Amino acid sequence: EVQLVESGGGLVQPGRSLRLSCAASGFTFDDYGMHWVRQAPGKGLEWVSGISWSSGSIGYADSVRGRFTISRDNAKNSLYLQMNSLRVEDTALYYCGKDSMVRGAISPSFDYWGQGTLVTVSS
Amino acid sequence: QSVLTQPPSASGTPGQRVTISCSGSSSNIGSNYVYWYQQLPGTAPKLLIYKNNQRPSGVPDRFSGSKSGTSASLAISGLRSEDEADYYCAAWDDSLSGPVFGTGTKVTVL
Repeated sequence: EVQLVESGGGLVQPGRSLRLSCAASGFTFDDYGMHWVRQAPGKGLEWVSGISWSSGSIGYADSVRGRFTISRDNAKNSLYLQMNSLRVEDTALYYCGKDSMVRGAISPSFDYWGQGTLVTVSS
Repeated sequence: QSVLTQPPSASGTPGQRVTISCSGSSSNIGSNYVYWYQQLPGTAPKLLIYKNNQRPSGVPDRFSGSKSGTSASLAISGLRSEDEADYYCAAWDDSLSGPVFGTGTKVTVL
């Protein structure tokens, strides 16, 4: 059974940093791209960042480029999101998502999602 | 800010057919596949349709997707109370070099 478990969320002041983690199990982690997607309270979905199976292809939404860094450790079956210079508008539930494409480029096809970790940016 | 536009709401009675539209541009829907997600209240999204009209295993055939030009549609036939959820379209955007989501449509079963 595929499982994605996010952690690392919490309350943080504007301008500070936070690192999110996603522990994956139930599939061959290093065969698939992975993503972070966020959802602000009461709002829609926003793709944040994605990383290909080999880390050779990485993408960011304009809203986070230069502040967030995605990475993965295939030996630990884990995905990370380093979030720096956090802003109030980064407040959201952050989901980890598995790409459905095997050893391909990242795509909009997320076939498994975690339950999310809440990040609240407030003074 | 979403680049794919959906109606904010749609509704129908049990058994009816409901259609949700998703409008984009040549840089996303016009040149790439469309995906649809269902988000039940308080839960994570679930992939409903991939590559315009394909259903993952376990998704009922009451759900169908189509695409024409720079627009796409999701149809729910034989509407059921458990279909009450938010629905999002998504596509790759060549200009933004990443996936984009639609604004979302809340489906209510009357």
